[in-house]
Amino acid sequence: LAKTTQPISMDSYEGQEVNITCSHNNIATNDYITWYQQFPSQGPRFIIQGYKTKVTNEVASLFIPADRKSSTLSLPRVSLSDTAVYYCLVGDYPGGFKTIFGAGTRLFVKA
Amino acid sequence: DTAVSQTPKYLVTQMGNDKSIKCEQNLGHDTMYWYKQDSKKFLKIMFSYNNKELIINETVPNRFSPKSPDKAHLNLHINSLELGDSAVYFCASSQPGQGNTGELFFGEGSRLTVL
Repeated sequence: LAKTTQPISMDSYEGQEVNITCSHNNIATNDYITWYQQFPSQGPRFIIQGYKTKVTNEVASLFIPADRKSSTLSLPRVSLSDTAVYYCLVGDYPGGFKTIFGAGTRLFVKA
Repeated sequence: DTAVSQTPKYLVTQMGNDKSIKCEQNLGHDTMYWYKQDSKKFLKIMFSYNNKELIINETVPNRFSPKSPDKAHLNLHINSLELGDSAVYFCASSQPGQGNTGELFFGEGSRLTVL
């Protein structure tokens, strides 16, 4: 499974756009990029998944360059409730059974 | 209805005891998991079951024994509890396969404290 590297922590203010970048230099052809969000005392929750280019849903956007060696999760206009840990995962998820979580990025949104 | 439910939510026990955590999912998924999140917040996969069969065992001590009576349930039994077993244990389920995202649905976690 491809290893991922993302910042340990980030700070932001309410209303700002937050971009969290994840590096995955060894991504394989069959691998997808998936992001999860975890609030304190809760299990992680799926945010978004993509394979290439750009994916957008009601919560976030995911930007993936052509070489797929990195990806950026974009959270528009964050609020205090977006304070959480964000995990970037890479793997053959549609067909696989093993989801490995890294250390994640702790996002702290200030008023 | 909660999609993935675990019981108990909190568990405090003495070293050497045996305890169980139960998990049930009503999503109709074929695959269920147990994850352990320690005090440093690292989330590590322990076991994965697909259609009641063990497919992943991440070198977990054999004091940990998962049991899947049917594909909607995956229970975790822990023998001879040690201090290092203190953690939050998360159950999850997913539906792998082409056309699916493989999204994991997690329970709320069971916080185990070993004294």
